[in-house]
Amino acid sequence: DGGITQSPKYLFRKEGQNVTLSCEQNLNHDAMYWYRQDPGQGLRLIYYSQIVNDFQKGDIAEGYSVSREKKESFPLTVTSAQKNPTAFYLCASTSDAWQGPYNSPLHFGNGTRLTVT
Amino acid sequence: RKEVEQDPGPFNVPEGATVAFNCTYSNSASQSFFWYRQDCRKEPKLLMSVYSSGNEDGRFTAQLNRASQYISLLIRDSKLSDSATYLCVVKKDNQGGKLIFGQGTELSVKP
Repeated sequence: DGGITQSPKYLFRKEGQNVTLSCEQNLNHDAMYWYRQDPGQGLRLIYYSQIVNDFQKGDIAEGYSVSREKKESFPLTVTSAQKNPTAFYLCASTSDAWQGPYNSPLHFGNGTRLTVT
Repeated sequence: RKEVEQDPGPFNVPEGATVAFNCTYSNSASQSFFWYRQDCRKEPKLLMSVYSSGNEDGRFTAQLNRASQYISLLIRDSKLSDSATYLCVVKKDNQGGKLIFGQGTELSVKP
């Protein structure tokens, strides 16, 4: 079955350490996204990538970095510069980000819950 | 003002009740609208797209009012399994398909 896989499900890190969250999809989707969710807030876009070797900052990119070397993979690194990294991180993909209006919606991975102490 | 704003929750309703959620959006150029459902500590999943003429899927009805810039979700004969957070999502087609999420409205259906 096709889908998006995020790993690990839970991640614990000490303050000051960089950490990389994995996101892999076998849906052959072009566009991939990273969101962050905090309690009582909507999902906020961190980074997105429309095609391989290209990515764009979202609304809250500071303290994060990404790469898109392969179509299937879009890892997110949470750096020590991120002031409040504890959150639920969601990766998503869609096949046709540019076409509309009723193009395919986002498919989400099951998320990584990061706790930094 | 937030770009996408939903009814503040939580909504606590008995089984069998009809419940409606509203969502307003600020960008009149928005073209695509969706409702997602998110269970506790899980990822969001698409519930339904919202079409201009309104659409229904079983007990769920979605409506769009472009003039007033709001969308709604109506759930009839609510079930215990409908308990979740419902996210309103708006796609900004003039910004390369960027999706804007509302903060979500929590629904709790009680026996």
